[in-house]
Amino acid sequence: GAGVSQSPRYKVTKRGQDVTLRCDPISSHATLYWYQQALGQGPEFLTYFNYEAQPDKSGLPSDRFSAERPEGSISTLTIQRTEQRDSAMYRCASSLGIGGHSTDTQYFGPGTRLTVL
Amino acid sequence: TQLLEQSPQFLSIQEGENLTVYCNSSSVFSSLQWYRQEPGEGPVLLVTVVTGGEVKKLKRLTFQFGDARKDSSLHITAAQPGDTGLYLCAGARYNQGGKLIFGQGTELSVKP
Repeated sequence: GAGVSQSPRYKVTKRGQDVTLRCDPISSHATLYWYQQALGQGPEFLTYFNYEAQPDKSGLPSDRFSAERPEGSISTLTIQRTEQRDSAMYRCASSLGIGGHSTDTQYFGPGTRLTVL
Repeated sequence: TQLLEQSPQFLSIQEGENLTVYCNSSSVFSSLQWYRQEPGEGPVLLVTVVTGGEVKKLKRLTFQFGDARKDSSLHITAAQPGDTGLYLCAGARYNQGGKLIFGQGTELSVKP
């Protein structure tokens, strides 16, 4: 596609429910990132993938959070047993290079706004 | 732990004024990027600086990377209402897969 897309754009759920967020990166991009962004703040790193490999998941807040990219393209972020503190914007970004070099441009998606009631 | 401190957090100025946004850290970064984010959209890359002391210009925007690669600044000359938005600095380190550490952002409002 022309850019990074995410779905759904908005998700409202009740505390304790599981949610799955989807990211479609730019088609030729090897590396995919997930970030969490609070309102008016900068994004915080959650995890990233080189194709289907997940070298770093150090930013995932707890074991309730997991991500996968089984075929090296589309990725999902799943939050189990959601809590109110999980409410945030979840952003996906992709970059062209394998390994994600420090100077690679990351292209961000529009995000999924998650609200946990 | 906020590794990148951005200041000011909020800035409201009149059209035509100049402004500087600062991004400071006690850590060394291999590169520093500046993004602009508009409401409802994701951050969009403005510039990447990689060499200590490097200065890059993008029309009315001037970006500088500190000599020690721990800090950076963004200077806007003659701000316009179209410059309004959230400005974010983000640092990256070698061998960390491109993982970006973002500052908390500067919310800029330029009034006509």
